[in-house]
Amino acid sequence: AQKITQTQPGMFVQEKEAVTLDCTYDTSDQSYGLFWYKQPSSGEMIFLIYQGSYDEQNATEGRYSLNFQKARKSANLVISASQLGDSAMYFCAMREGGYGGSQGNLIFGKGTKLSVKP
Amino acid sequence: DGGITQSPKYLFRKEGQNVTLSCEQNLNHDAMYWYRQDPGQGLRLIYYSQIVNDFQKGDIAEGYSVSREKKESFPLTVTSAQKNPTAFYLCASSRQGDRAREAFFGQGTRLTVV
Repeated sequence: AQKITQTQPGMFVQEKEAVTLDCTYDTSDQSYGLFWYKQPSSGEMIFLIYQGSYDEQNATEGRYSLNFQKARKSANLVISASQLGDSAMYFCAMREGGYGGSQGNLIFGKGTKLSVKP
Repeated sequence: DGGITQSPKYLFRKEGQNVTLSCEQNLNHDAMYWYRQDPGQGLRLIYYSQIVNDFQKGDIAEGYSVSREKKESFPLTVTSAQKNPTAFYLCASSRQGDRAREAFFGQGTRLTVV
């Protein structure tokens, strides 16, 4: 069963505007972590932001914020004041709870390609 | 600088050959992972290792093999049994036993069968 769903294959945003990238997840664990990564055309994966399942506040890192709605099982990434350098693939990922075993692994969605227009 | 180094960046393989992708980390992480990425797709887990001399199959392990003889190194061999090996391969590492910690990735190896 697919555990991370990103429904937007591609998105366009005007430079300096905000954009929201959608992510929904499925897990029966009470303890889990949610991550967003950026992948530029060069291929490396850049960690952006993390949200823990028990965190009461939405995570923020500079221009990135995570809109965490636990009941809806969604963890949308909001990028404020888009820049041309934000053009990239964006992946939502989840790590389920538990120490050791397969539950420690990151499970990725299929990604959203963001294009920032000047 | 601490990080993960993958080599080579580009690799070409003939049909029927085995090839080995290198992954080295100096972050002192216990856990290491290999992912495969196909165009327009997310990352799929091939193998992972949480401790030296131990590793587990991921979702798509068939046609691949790994070893973990040293904490710093986790090489991936793409064998001739892998029917469609052309893909982008990413190695990652993370601290073990801490769910909050992100995985750090290498720059990737792009493998092409010729």
